[in-house]
Amino acid sequence: AQRVTQPEKLLSVFKGAPVELKCNYSYSGSPELFWYVQYSRQRLQLLLRHISRESIKGFTADLNKGETSFHLKKPFAQEEDSAMYYCALRGVTGGGNKLTFGTGTQLKVEL
Amino acid sequence: GAGVSQSPSNKVTEKGKDVELRCDPISGHTALYWYRQSLGQGLEFLIYFQGNSAPDKSGLPSDRFSAERTGGSVSTLTIQRTQQEDSAVYLCASSPGQVSNQPQHFGDGTRLSIL
Repeated sequence: AQRVTQPEKLLSVFKGAPVELKCNYSYSGSPELFWYVQYSRQRLQLLLRHISRESIKGFTADLNKGETSFHLKKPFAQEEDSAMYYCALRGVTGGGNKLTFGTGTQLKVEL
Repeated sequence: GAGVSQSPSNKVTEKGKDVELRCDPISGHTALYWYRQSLGQGLEFLIYFQGNSAPDKSGLPSDRFSAERTGGSVSTLTIQRTQQEDSAVYLCASSPGQVSNQPQHFGDGTRLSIL
């Protein structure tokens, strides 16, 4: 079975402070991990995925297979980062193409 | 269109009625997915189409839920004899095809409210 856990429903930080949104997963095979973001009144969109190993809007995430984690990080939060963030997993071995999502973390960046 | 299109954007109906939700994927995308987001829950997978066939329908919560896709394009999700617990946002996503590492692109969703 696939499971994604995002322990924080709400994370509030001040502008300029570092941000870390936690994501842990459970999957017996080889996973592919994603972060999706939903800004206010916008559709869900892909932020980044672990296979790309890229930085998008200053965010990075590293897949740690030993800790089964894929935490999202940004060194200096901006007001426009306020949004709902979802971690998602796709099981590459036997999981088909469906995404399993966490329950999401609402990030609020305060001035 | 440029993105995944879903209709209606909002639907309010009485308990026991049937509803149909529509999804127009991005042109050329052969894979199509339905998800459901209930209040306080994450997105829950319902069904996956590759072309017109559904190799994974494991997420459909009951036999009141069904979906079809015709012409490898538009998909319809039907909920029969709706119950209040069916109230949720129903999201559709599409991706280019069988290449597994292509990301899914989401529509705006249909907000379904069962009175």
